[in-house]
Amino acid sequence: EAGVAQSPRYKIIEKRQSVAFWCNPISGHATLYWYQQILGQGPKLLIQFQNNGVVDDSQLPKDRFSAERLKGVDSTLKIQPAKLEDSAVYLCASSLGVSITDTQYFGPGTRLTVL
Amino acid sequence: DAKTTQPPSMDCAEGRAANLPCNHSTISGNEYVYWYRQIHSQGPQYIIHGLKNNETNEMASLIITEDRKSSTLILPHATLRDTAVYYCIVRVARWNTGNQFYFGTGTSLTVIP
Repeated sequence: EAGVAQSPRYKIIEKRQSVAFWCNPISGHATLYWYQQILGQGPKLLIQFQNNGVVDDSQLPKDRFSAERLKGVDSTLKIQPAKLEDSAVYLCASSLGVSITDTQYFGPGTRLTVL
Repeated sequence: DAKTTQPPSMDCAEGRAANLPCNHSTISGNEYVYWYRQIHSQGPQYIIHGLKNNETNEMASLIITEDRKSSTLILPHATLRDTAVYYCIVRVARWNTGNQFYFGTGTSLTVIP
């Protein structure tokens, strides 16, 4: 079974530029998550989708971050404009559903460096 | 939200059992304990989860105290590939936002040859 795919794996941009990350979840997984992991910290949830609808985006800085999952499969996370403090690894995860026993499976992440 | 407390780092000799403790004294009755690990430059990897009873799978064993205020993850025969950051997570059940993970800073386990 293929895992969660993410691209690119690495991205370096200058502050105030825009950047987008792509995620393809495990086939059949209805729930998709985006996390931000700053160096030395655990992942922090940014947004959660159930199919193509947003379940929770309370931790997403909406002035600069946006995410979509138009067809209920792939998802993109965008930052516009980027700030220095956005340097982090952006992790995508998916699960079958939202049951408390539905395991989340993580992708390898995209490491973003903002200069 | 139930929080977890873990030691920041631990060492374990290769081939020995690694016992990773976790305190979750504010856990509620319907909240599960999950363990994930993150090997350098990779995404977190699921290990095991439990509610009340001890659990075992091919990777590890999870021992939860009777009062559920703490748990221990046991890697029975640690190998060098088990060197990673281990996260103990209490999974919060919310009716309107699904069941989310709140990661702490984890325990950095180093397996020593």
